[in-house]
Amino acid sequence: GAVVSQHPSWVICKSGTSVKIECRSLDFQATTMFWYRQFPKQSLMLMATSNEGSKATYEQGVEKDKFLINHASLTLSTLTVTSAHPEDSSFYICSAEDSAWGGYTFGSGTRLTVV
Amino acid sequence: DQQVKQNSPSLSVQEGRISILNCDYTNSMFDYFLWYKKYPAEGPTFLISISSIKDKNEDGRFTVFLNKSAKHLSLHIVPSQPGDSAVYFCAARGNAGNMLTFGGGTRLMVKP
Repeated sequence: GAVVSQHPSWVICKSGTSVKIECRSLDFQATTMFWYRQFPKQSLMLMATSNEGSKATYEQGVEKDKFLINHASLTLSTLTVTSAHPEDSSFYICSAEDSAWGGYTFGSGTRLTVV
Repeated sequence: DQQVKQNSPSLSVQEGRISILNCDYTNSMFDYFLWYKKYPAEGPTFLISISSIKDKNEDGRFTVFLNKSAKHLSLHIVPSQPGDSAVYFCAARGNAGNMLTFGGGTRLMVKP
């Protein structure tokens, strides 16, 4: 089946630094990828929709200058958390829509801890 | 405003019995519904989905029922197994876009 690879699976960084998270669709092309954030014991909240070759669409309340999204190819989207702060610590998950079956496949997630 | 709600944060079931997880939604524009299973620190795994033109979809031990008039869907797992213990999310997609809206999740515990 469709596989979405997300790296790194966990990262610890110092406050003020930037962290890049990669999301790759391994066996299918994804013109659209989605980035979610999950706080402990809470639901997945959509942050932004990543569109190949164009600007991402951000949900209300998500700072586009802080969470930079690049979708340069049909198989890769990246999320960069710029100038990270402890409140950015969270679990970030990407997903991609596979047009072959109309479903959504999720990456394994990235646990970000900012110290 | 939560458009997708899972009112039971947790559910405990005996192995071999049926697990029923419920989900309610408010947006009548949703046309596709999905159930995901999630373990801690992992991404959600797709289980089963249903289109709004159907009222039932079955896949092995998993069956999803959709009641459009009540804006309610449910996931039935039978027989339940200890390996089914996880958090289950229902999600909905509107016909105006392809993004998913998730419910808050229900933690299922299947006791041996």
